[in-house]
Amino acid sequence: AQSVTQPDIHITVSEGASLELRCNYSYGATPYLFWYVQSPGQGLQLLLKYFSGDTLVQGIKGFEAEFKRSQSSFNLRKPSVHWSDAAEYFCAVGVSGGYNKLIFGAGTRLAVHP
Amino acid sequence: GAVVSQHPSWVICKSGTSVKIECRSLDFQATTMFWYRQFPKQSLMLMATSNEGSKATYEQGVEKDKFLINHASLTLSTLTVTSAHPEDSSFYICSASSGMEDTQYFGPGTRLTVL
Repeated sequence: AQSVTQPDIHITVSEGASLELRCNYSYGATPYLFWYVQSPGQGLQLLLKYFSGDTLVQGIKGFEAEFKRSQSSFNLRKPSVHWSDAAEYFCAVGVSGGYNKLIFGAGTRLAVHP
Repeated sequence: GAVVSQHPSWVICKSGTSVKIECRSLDFQATTMFWYRQFPKQSLMLMATSNEGSKATYEQGVEKDKFLINHASLTLSTLTVTSAHPEDSSFYICSASSGMEDTQYFGPGTRLTVL
């Protein structure tokens, strides 16, 4: 069965430090992978997506993610975190090819210390 | 652009009553809308997918008679939780897209508490 695992429920980093959020997926076919961010009171916002091609994808707000098929991973990274990055981050896999059915991980809550 | 709103943001109701949650796409036509349910510290779980003017497609294990979905226009979908019980208490999130293969834009969610 398809699933997404985000091993870290909560992460705290200092402002200016680098960030890596982990995501592992289980899916039989070529996955369509997404990272979303949810700030309090707001809807989930798409940060970036991987469909095919270059395994290192760039997103909004300075985020990037790398697809590693051998590790079934799609980790999210940012070289220097800003206080405004504090939010909940969700990794998702699109089954049936695309956006039409998303399976989400449990989310990682990021706190940023000044 | 691509803003999705939900109303209400928080609702408390008594057991046995019905509650309607609205999902609106404010600046685009949403031919497809999705309804998710999120339990505390857990994943968003897709409940159903609806296309404008068609009956919703429910995920396995979701009671269609309990969670009534109507997608009567290109900007509005509603989820009605009928005869709500405390176990229906949850965070309900909708999303909308202009097509099945297009980006989903998410609403801010509605927290339902059933007493």
